[in-house]
Amino acid sequence: GAVVSQHPSRVICKSGTSVKIECRSLDFQATTMFWYRQFPKQSLMLMATSNEGSKATYEQGVEKDKFLINHASLTLSTLTVTSAHPEDSSFYICSAGTGGHGTQYFGPGTRLTVL
Amino acid sequence: GQQVMQIPQYQHVQEGEDFTTYCNSSTTLSNIQWYKQRPGGHPVFLIQLVKSGEVKKQKRLTFQFGEAKKNSSLHITATQTTDVGTYFCGQGAQKLVFGQGTRLTINP
Repeated sequence: GAVVSQHPSRVICKSGTSVKIECRSLDFQATTMFWYRQFPKQSLMLMATSNEGSKATYEQGVEKDKFLINHASLTLSTLTVTSAHPEDSSFYICSAGTGGHGTQYFGPGTRLTVL
Repeated sequence: GQQVMQIPQYQHVQEGEDFTTYCNSSTTLSNIQWYKQRPGGHPVFLIQLVKSGEVKKQKRLTFQFGEAKKNSSLHITATQTTDVGTYFCGQGAQKLVFGQGTRLTINP
């Protein structure tokens, strides 16, 4: 199956700093990638749809200035958590599809801890 | 977007017992997908159902899509400890919206 990588896998940062998370499709091109957030023992909440070459589409309640998304190439999308605060601590997962009916391949996730 | 309700939230079984999780929607779904997330891991695609009344099997796992395409189920026969994890259903043609997930724990 398709492989999606994510970097870093784990990051600890101080409150007020910004953190960038990369999501790469390794063996396929993805015009669209998705960013999810998952709190412990909860479901995955879609944050935004990352569109190659255009602006991301954010879900209701997600601050676009807080969570900056850039999809500069067909294999790379980045999520930057700006001015991170402890409540931003979470598991961030990206996914990408190979088209068709929307089967998604997920990256391994990034666990963010903001002190 | 369309919401899917997933039940139960938790299920604890004895190894060898069967397990079923259900997803329900108030509206007709274009497709339903099932994912498994192991503790500490990321969701892994299991299967996609598209057709009304569709039934698919993967070894001990049986997936069903309702005739009205408003519900789906995942049934595991004779659970094994390797089945531990959270099972999510998701729906959507482009972006996926997930159910709440069913966490399966197994007593060996």
